[in-house]
Amino acid sequence: EADIYQTPRYLVIGTGKKITLECSQTMGHDKMYWYQQDPGMELHLIHYSYGVNSTEKGDLSSESTVSRIRTEHFPLTLESARPSHTSQYLCASSEGRERANTGELFFGEGSRLTVL
Amino acid sequence: AQSVTQLDSQVPVFEEAPVELRCNYSSSVSVYLFWYVQYPNQGLQLLLKYLSGSTLVESINGFEAEFNKSQTSFHLRKPSVHISDTAEYFCAVSSRTGGFKTIFGAGTRLFVKA
Repeated sequence: EADIYQTPRYLVIGTGKKITLECSQTMGHDKMYWYQQDPGMELHLIHYSYGVNSTEKGDLSSESTVSRIRTEHFPLTLESARPSHTSQYLCASSEGRERANTGELFFGEGSRLTVL
Repeated sequence: AQSVTQLDSQVPVFEEAPVELRCNYSSSVSVYLFWYVQYPNQGLQLLLKYLSGSTLVESINGFEAEFNKSQTSFHLRKPSVHISDTAEYFCAVSSRTGGFKTIFGAGTRLFVKA
């Protein structure tokens, strides 16, 4: 049973459109992440947040931006989508409390974006 | 710096045969180790994890993995696979000194044939 939700699951849009991928979790986790994954390929961390009003860029450079205004919500935005942004985007969260943290990640089902 | 190497990108196997997916990590500190499974068009799900204690950990669907500190390995095994085990499997490592940042391997695609 998923406690982390991503919408939309699938999105096909034209070049130049602005899109926002939504991610919400109900576990009260402080830490949230966005990964980019091309088909059959490894995961690349593009953004993460360790709490409200805290966001950082990940290991892979991305033209997307994120915000963390509420603990449970971590949306990702592309101001002007291009075909090179076509990919699957996975949102995840993890426990932030020091004594309970192990690095275990809880993933949403992903948002598959296709930019024509 | 921590890193994870999954030695096989693809593993084809016949149904009911045993399988081993190999994972090696590099870290100079105590680590937590994970295997995640990803079915087509889905996110990742935790399959099993090693945090401490017994070096052999098991999942509810018959997979097991053994933490071998001397060989820095965390190989995943199943004695008899099913068609439904066809998926991508990711090995991952994190540590307290690494700020619990999770490092993933490149993934191994397990393809079970009838």
